[in-house]
Amino acid sequence: QKEVEQNSGPLSVPEGAIASLNCTYSDRGSQSFFWYRQYSGKSPELIMFIYSNGDKEDGRFTAQLNKASQYVSLLIRDSQPSDSATYLCAVRSFGNEKLTFGTGTRLTIIP
Amino acid sequence: NAGVTQTPKFQVLKTGQSMTLQCAQDMNHNSMYWYRQDPGMGLRLIYYSASEGTTDKGEVPNGYNVSRLNKREFSLRLESAAPSQTSVYFCASSEGVKVRSYEQYFGPGTRLTVT
Repeated sequence: QKEVEQNSGPLSVPEGAIASLNCTYSDRGSQSFFWYRQYSGKSPELIMFIYSNGDKEDGRFTAQLNKASQYVSLLIRDSQPSDSATYLCAVRSFGNEKLTFGTGTRLTIIP
Repeated sequence: NAGVTQTPKFQVLKTGQSMTLQCAQDMNHNSMYWYRQDPGMGLRLIYYSASEGTTDKGEVPNGYNVSRLNKREFSLRLESAAPSQTSVYFCASSEGVKVRSYEQYFGPGTRLTVT
């Protein structure tokens, strides 16, 4: 079993709709959770992080964390064509220098 | 600020050749990382350095060596390149574990092909 699992997609969402990206993790000691966006041929960039159960909102993005279910998600409201990218979920355990990344979900926003 | 810079951007090697990938950051970060990214495999950690003078193995260290030259620079060396090392290599840096947000900033990547 992979430590961090994501559906590889592609996930196609109409422009203006809500895109929902999901991630599960296996290590119950995981403390911090990150969503990175990666455009084709570019490097990853951080868009959200969360470490408390519940929701965290930043503009059109909402990260949701459920530690009991070992599940973290990213919602993108009012999806735009510029949101088309691969979204990487990453997890860190307490005191650990390392991030463990999922394989990413490729999101396509259809105009 | 340039952030994280990597050289070269592209490289083609023949099997058995050696090369060093260079990485530098100007954000005064303590921690630096080397990842490789392959299709369907995500980002996998090769080596990391939690502070100047220390290095540790990541998930896929075989065939690589690293040097944390100073706080700014972290190099990755392939002593005898193999086709399995064809990949995109990313360097990253962060302030370190004491910062909860723990954002890692990535360089632009090096696209390496080994024939």
